[in-house]
Amino acid sequence: GQQVMQIPQYQHVQEGEDFTTYCNSSTTLSNIQWYKQRPGGHPVFLIQLVKSGEVKKQKRLTFQFGEAKKNSSLHITATQTTDVGTYFCAAASNTNAGKSTFGDGTTLTVKP
Amino acid sequence: DAGITQSPRYKITETGRQVTLMCHQTWSHSYMFWYRQDLGHGLRLIYYSAAADITDKGEVPDGYVVSRSKTENFPLTLESATRSQTSVYFCASSEGGSPLHFGNGTRLTVT
Repeated sequence: GQQVMQIPQYQHVQEGEDFTTYCNSSTTLSNIQWYKQRPGGHPVFLIQLVKSGEVKKQKRLTFQFGEAKKNSSLHITATQTTDVGTYFCAAASNTNAGKSTFGDGTTLTVKP
Repeated sequence: DAGITQSPRYKITETGRQVTLMCHQTWSHSYMFWYRQDLGHGLRLIYYSAAADITDKGEVPDGYVVSRSKTENFPLTLESATRSQTSVYFCASSEGGSPLHFGNGTRLTVT
């Protein structure tokens, strides 16, 4: 089945430093979604990327979808303690409409 | 999200017992999903449903049963609970390809 690799598994940063998590698939994706899960909470949708090479921004968060639609990244500029949590990518392929495969997530901790 | 609710929030059961986790959504989304979340494994899909009376296996379906007689409900049953099924279970709904809306989760402990 479809596999999605997400790295790194953990990232610890000092407040104010940047953070990036990467998501890679061996197959071409129809879209990719990013979710954030706060400690003790449930995953919450952040954004969906559909087009090849697409870049979207949400304040300090920048999301990119690769040209080949096989990889994606989430970059946070100048992290804050409120950014703490686990970030998941979820990939949908053209052959599994409606069903997404989640990466294992990157857990971000921020030291004040 | 207020539109999808899971119950119970916490459940402790013994090995071998049957337990059912409930999931209800008010959006009339076609798709519903059950995931389990364990440390080091992220979110793993157990079962999903594309519509009422249509269900399909996910990545880790063994030991679980689902049904979807109504669009809004998607209960998950552990027929004979095992310790390896101790986990946090999340229900989610969506319209195919659109973002998933997750419930608050059920933390299940099997002793």
